[in-house]
Amino acid sequence: NAGVTQTPKFQVLKTGQSMTLQCAQDMNHNSMYWYRQDPGMGLRLIYYSASEGTTDKGEVPNGYNVSRLNKREFSLRLESAAPSQTSVYFCASSALAGGRYEQFFGPGTRLTVL
Amino acid sequence: QQQVKQSPQSLIVQKGGISIINCAYENTAFDYFPWYQQFPGKGPALLIAIRPDVSEKKEGRFTISFNKSAKQFSLHIMDSQPGDSATYFCAASMIPGKLIFGQGTTLQVKP
Repeated sequence: NAGVTQTPKFQVLKTGQSMTLQCAQDMNHNSMYWYRQDPGMGLRLIYYSASEGTTDKGEVPNGYNVSRLNKREFSLRLESAAPSQTSVYFCASSALAGGRYEQFFGPGTRLTVL
Repeated sequence: QQQVKQSPQSLIVQKGGISIINCAYENTAFDYFPWYQQFPGKGPALLIAIRPDVSEKKEGRFTISFNKSAKQFSLHIMDSQPGDSATYFCAASMIPGKLIFGQGTTLQVKP
């Protein structure tokens, strides 16, 4: 099992450009999440999908859109990138089994917007 | 509004010492309190977690202490090792919902 995979690993954009961050999980999890990580801010939830076909806003959704393409894939789109979106982006999926609830994170995408 | 506050921001401990990281939460509906460990260039990974019906949980050298009345919980790393050097995040949620993360603590264990 690959777990949670993300592409690309690194990306540099110019202000105003658009791009899509891809995420896939092979653990058959229903819920998936997108976070951004900034120094001193912890991980902040951008959007999440509780199940296939549903998406909801998190703490910092402005400037982003998401698509839950199927149970495996959850993409994050920046329509018009801004320098404030320079960050490390993590995708995660979650499982509840035997009273243990865990979110599994991907390796991250480091995005720089110039 | 920061619902989970974590301290300290950074911590330096000698090898063999005890590392202590503290978190405080506001929402009394939270019923799940995990700690995540993150190494440079990697995603966070679940380290240990506790439910509010117990006051302490231990897994190897890692212990969570939970104080429900004070709305606080802490991570203790006994016999800290250089390999424990990482960033640690506390979090809180209502299972199986969204995790609210603290700001993170960068731990450095000196040989």
